[in-house]
Amino acid sequence: GAVVSQHPSWVICKSGTSVKIECRSLDFQATTMFWYRQFPKQSLMLMATSNEGSKATYEQGVEKDKFLINHASLTLSTLTVTSAHPEDSSFYICSARAGLRTDTQYFGPGTRLTVL
Amino acid sequence: AQSVTQPDIHITVSEGASLELRCNYSYGATPYLFWYVQSPGQGLQLLLKYFSGDTLVQGIKGFEAEFKRSQSSFNLRKPSVHWSDAAEYFCAVGLYNNNDMRFGAGTRLTVKP
Repeated sequence: GAVVSQHPSWVICKSGTSVKIECRSLDFQATTMFWYRQFPKQSLMLMATSNEGSKATYEQGVEKDKFLINHASLTLSTLTVTSAHPEDSSFYICSARAGLRTDTQYFGPGTRLTVL
Repeated sequence: AQSVTQPDIHITVSEGASLELRCNYSYGATPYLFWYVQSPGQGLQLLLKYFSGDTLVQGIKGFEAEFKRSQSSFNLRKPSVHWSDAAEYFCAVGLYNNNDMRFGAGTRLTVKP
């Protein structure tokens, strides 16, 4: 089956620093990648959708200048949390879809971010 | 407004017992329907999906789900639960030709020995 990886799996950083999270599709080309945020014991909330070579589309309420998304290739998307604060601490999950909208989204294992 | 409802926050079943997790959606058209499972601290694994055709869908790990248009439901079932099935289960719908995915709040399954 399709495999999506994320790196790092967990990260701890100081307040004010920036953190980059990578999402890779290992065995397929992902035209579209999605970034979700999940708070403890809650569901996934879509943050943004990125298509390869285009600017990401952010959901309402998500600060695009704070959560920078780059989808430079068909197998890699990155999420950079800039000037992180403790309230940004969360579980970030990416997913990737091969192409057609009827394709399934395959999810990465998630990245646990803790901002001190 | 479009929404996905999983009415049961937490369900406990005995190992070997049958299981049904409920999912209802509100959407003007037939959405794409998914069930995912998440173990603690892990990402989501696709159990099964429905796009069209036979309304009874078979998935991995012995799970199945049935799409009932009249009830706007897509309930997940398993005839005999194993201890390893303990996890969080999410129902999701793909809206607007699957370009926008919405997740339910999740149902946490506990399996008693």
